[in-house]
Amino acid sequence: NAGVTQTPKFQVLKTGQSMTLQCAQDMNHNSMYWYRQDPGMGLRLIYYSASEGTTDKGEVPNGYNVSRLNKREFSLRLESAAPSQTSVYFCASTRTNTGELFFGEGSRLTVL
Amino acid sequence: GEDVEQSLFLSVREGDSSVINCTYTDSSSTYLYWYKQEPGAGLQLLTYIFSNMDMKQDQRLTVLLNKKDKHLSLRIADTQTGDSAIYFCAEHSSYKLIFGSGTRLLVRP
Repeated sequence: NAGVTQTPKFQVLKTGQSMTLQCAQDMNHNSMYWYRQDPGMGLRLIYYSASEGTTDKGEVPNGYNVSRLNKREFSLRLESAAPSQTSVYFCASTRTNTGELFFGEGSRLTVL
Repeated sequence: GEDVEQSLFLSVREGDSSVINCTYTDSSSTYLYWYKQEPGAGLQLLTYIFSNMDMKQDQRLTVLLNKKDKHLSLRIADTQTGDSAIYFCAEHSSYKLIFGSGTRLLVRP
């Protein structure tokens, strides 16, 4: 039972490079989320997708784009990475407008 | 706007009770949540409380909700070393879950 799977788990980028974080869930959940976690700041919502075909901005969307490829997959793209985007990124999903989120193990990104 | 606040750190002795506090701002939140994060892992739902309840007990966990003051607390009875983790409270608002900054609980032997 895989749950929420994120790749890659670790990535080092240089300023200006681009990359995509992948997320897939096998629980047939409707809603998916991308959060970033920084020390002392908790989790901040970057983007979310309430259902397949929709995406919305969260608290800190600048510098990111997302794609809800299908019901299972929700990717996060950094077009031109900046050191301020060094963080741990978490993908999460939930059945339908509930707060019971299921989280992936996180992707640790370092931008030099 | 939406904002959830928690103290950053709590240290207790093994066997004592731990109380982690949280304040939130969105009075329309239907549910309020406590999540636990162990080192190197994602968050896991610990417990939740419906907004029309004052208290919920689940084994060693007790959640208290003061809706008037928008104050939520999590009490862990007989705290064990395995309870050492970061605890996040969260409020549910319009398809989004807004998290506090997390309280790091350290349990001393």
